[in-house]
Parts: sequence; C-alpha cells; structure tokens
Amino acid sequence: NAGVTQTPKFQVLKTGQSMTLQCAQDMNHNSMYWYRQDPGMGLRLIYYSASEGTTDKGEVPNGYNVSRLNKREFSLRLESAAPSQTSVYFCASSDGTANSPLHFGNGTRLTVT
Amino acid sequence: LAKTTQPISMDSYEGQEVNITCSHNNIATNDYITWYQQFPSQGPRFIIQGYKTKVTNEVASLFIPADRKSSTLSLPRVSLSDTAVYYCLVVSDSNYQLIWGAGTKLIIKP
Repeated sequence: NAGVTQTPKFQVLKTGQSMTLQCAQDMNHNSMYWYRQDPGMGLRLIYYSASEGTTDKGEVPNGYNVSRLNKREFSLRLESAAPSQTSVYFCASSDGTANSPLHFGNGTRLTVT
Repeated sequence: LAKTTQPISMDSYEGQEVNITCSHNNIATNDYITWYQQFPSQGPRFIIQGYKTKVTNEVASLFIPADRKSSTLSLPRVSLSDTAVYYCLVVSDSNYQLIWGAGTKLIIKP
C-alpha cells in the first residue's frame, strides 16, 4: 500500500520552462489537493479536486493548472516557471469529509533559477 | 474559516509529557480540530482529531474544553524522535479548505 506517490522528488527548472508534477493515490479517495510549502511556513492550498471531474482554485492558484486525470491521479502543471515558484510541493488525498484526515505524499522540491 | 494560533516553538526533554495548546476563537459548530506532525523533507502526517471533550489514540491525547475555543495536544513520554513541527487545524464540515499556520516546532532534548 503506497498511499500517495509524487514524482519527481527533485526538479530544477530555468525561468520560463514548463513541467508537470505527478501525484497518484491508491486509497480510493474522492478528494485530492496540491499544496506548496515555503521555508518556515505552513502549507498553502494551490488547487483541489473534491471529486473526479472537478477542480477548484485554492489560496494561491496563479501560475498553475491542474488536471484530475481519473480518481487516482491529480497533476499540477507550471506553464512558465518563475523563481517565486521555488518551493516544496505536496499532494494530498482524503475521503473528502471533515472528519477524514489528509494523507500526504513526500513532496517535490522544485527550484526555479 | 477558523484561524488557529499556536506557539512558534517549544523545548522539552526525553520522557516528559508535552502539551501544545492551540487557540481557535471563531470555531464554528460543525468544525473539527485536527493535529498533524511533520518531519523535515516529509509530508505532514495525521496525529489525532476531535470535536469535543477528550480523544486518545496510541500516540497522543487531545483535550477540548466545552467552549471549543482552544485545544491541547498532549504527547506522553516524548522521545528524540518526536522532534518535529506540529500543526493545529480547524476543518469545516462544509468547506474542506484547511488553513495551515506556521505550526509549533517541538525540539526534544536528551
């Protein structure tokens, strides 16, 4: 049981390059989330998907797009990376109810130069 | 969405009981209180969740007073491996967007 798997673990991009962060969960969860975490700070929600086929903006969506490919997979795309997007990105999933906890992946550390 | 306030950092020693208190003054009737633990280079991990009174599991206890405007995470007999950042969150029953603060950095000393 792998839980939430994120790829890649590390990535370095040049300003203006694009990339897609992949996330997959094997817990049959309805909801999936993308967060970013900057040094010494809590997590900020980028986008979330309450169920397959739906996506919604979170707190900091600018510069990102998402795709809920199927129930298992939720990808995050940076179309034109900027240094301000240097961060650690975490994907999470849950049943989607208030009393069901989030399960996180181990993150993707992204550096944009 | 209820905002939470918790201490930035705490120190303790191995074998001690550690209590981390979180305030959430504008918690709504249907909100749950949840705590997560995060180690460096890892995603947060769920510890415990409660609605009122006391909840206990194999790793922690959660105390919630009647007015629910605060909660206390209690870690019994901590070890060095409990050194981590602990986040207190309020989860809305109608909106699952979680507001993450900076958390409490707990350092356990030998």
